[in-house]
Amino acid sequence: EPEVTQTPSHQVTQMGQEVILRCVPISNHLYFYWYRQILGQKVEFLVSFYNNEISEKSEIFDDQFSVERPDGSNFTLKIRSTKLEDSAMYFCASSVQETQYFGPGTRLLVL
Amino acid sequence: SQKIEQNSEALNIQEGKTATLTCNYTNYSPAYLQWYRQDPGRGPVFLLLIRENEKEKRKERLKVTFDTTLKQSLFHITASQPADSATYLCALEKGGSTLGRLYFGRGTQLTVWP
Repeated sequence: EPEVTQTPSHQVTQMGQEVILRCVPISNHLYFYWYRQILGQKVEFLVSFYNNEISEKSEIFDDQFSVERPDGSNFTLKIRSTKLEDSAMYFCASSVQETQYFGPGTRLLVL
Repeated sequence: SQKIEQNSEALNIQEGKTATLTCNYTNYSPAYLQWYRQDPGRGPVFLLLIRENEKEKRKERLKVTFDTTLKQSLFHITASQPADSATYLCALEKGGSTLGRLYFGRGTQLTVWP
């Protein structure tokens, strides 16, 4: 069964550094998403992406964040200058209709 | 913004019993509502979707109901098993021209003991 994959599974970085989180959505899906989950809290929407542009973004998704689909398979989330509060699990998801399929996540720790 | 409440943080039941989880929401009525399962350190796994014009949906031992008047969804697991132990998340999407943003509840952690 097709799955969303994410790399790396864990990332440790210093505050102020740039990180790029990578995702490979399910191949025939058209809609792509990033969510995050701070430890012990609920899953929060960051951004949705369709037809090579951002469809919607939340208030969390400020100028430090960007997304890109550099080729036909990868979907990336970049955080330009990480802050301590960016430490969280980051989930990529994709969909063809309403149901969103989530990847296993990248655990980001900012020191 | 949409507010979603799941009835309790934790629910403990005996194997074989039916687990019932509640999801209440405020503000606008969603086009559809979804239930996900999340295991520790893993991503949410889709279980069931129910649309605003549907009252009930079933899949094997799972059943979900949707009452737009009460602004509530109930999620049932019948004949529960220890393997059903996980956190169950309610999520809804406003609907509209663009598929997108899911609003999640904090989840209910279900423990099924033998």
